[in-house]
Amino acid sequence: QQQVKQSPQSLIVQKGGISIINCAYENTAFDYFPWYQQFPGKGPALLIAIRPDVSEKKEGRFTISFNKSAKQFSLHIMDSQPGDSATYFCAASKASGTYKYIFGTGTRLKVLA
Amino acid sequence: GAGVSQSPRYKVAKRGQDVALRCDPISGHVSLFWYQQALGQGPEFLTYFQNEAQLDKSGLPSDRFFAERPEGSVSTLKIQRTQQEDSAVYLCASEGGNGEYGYTFGSGTRLTVV
Repeated sequence: QQQVKQSPQSLIVQKGGISIINCAYENTAFDYFPWYQQFPGKGPALLIAIRPDVSEKKEGRFTISFNKSAKQFSLHIMDSQPGDSATYFCAASKASGTYKYIFGTGTRLKVLA
Repeated sequence: GAGVSQSPRYKVAKRGQDVALRCDPISGHVSLFWYQQALGQGPEFLTYFQNEAQLDKSGLPSDRFFAERPEGSVSTLKIQRTQQEDSAVYLCASEGGNGEYGYTFGSGTRLTVV
């Protein structure tokens, strides 16, 4: 019940295309869903996050879609660029900063120039 | 400082050796977390501090792992009698406690036990 399942494991997208990464969770007590981007040799960096009271959040080229009834959320990267090539992790927690994150297993994204 | 600083960046330890990993959180951040990231995997929670109080240590894999944050700022993760399965990247993160911005992670310490 504590797991967050992430797919796909890897993704190759052409420059300018849309990258879509999906996550699913079981624990209905989760109420904070961040996405992190990690480059090799670096720590994860917060990209965007959403709470269950909204179905979509957009920041620049990054959009989170959230489906509370299905217990699923996804990251969409519009106009994907080679600089977006990184590993992306979804996560879930009961509250930001006061409870541990449960991370997905990661998606390695490669954007072809 | 502007970010979370971890040291050393790399550590090679012989099996059975004790190691200490340091984390300097963002100044003023009350919450501090340690995570373990195995190669090709997502980070896994180890322990959580609020100021100097260790409020959750449920993720520490064994009693060989110990963390402290005595003055509510710098934290140290200590691993005694290291084993090969301890090889991983150890990530520290801090959060301002307002619940709005999520964690800020450091670059991690890559521990290799030989």
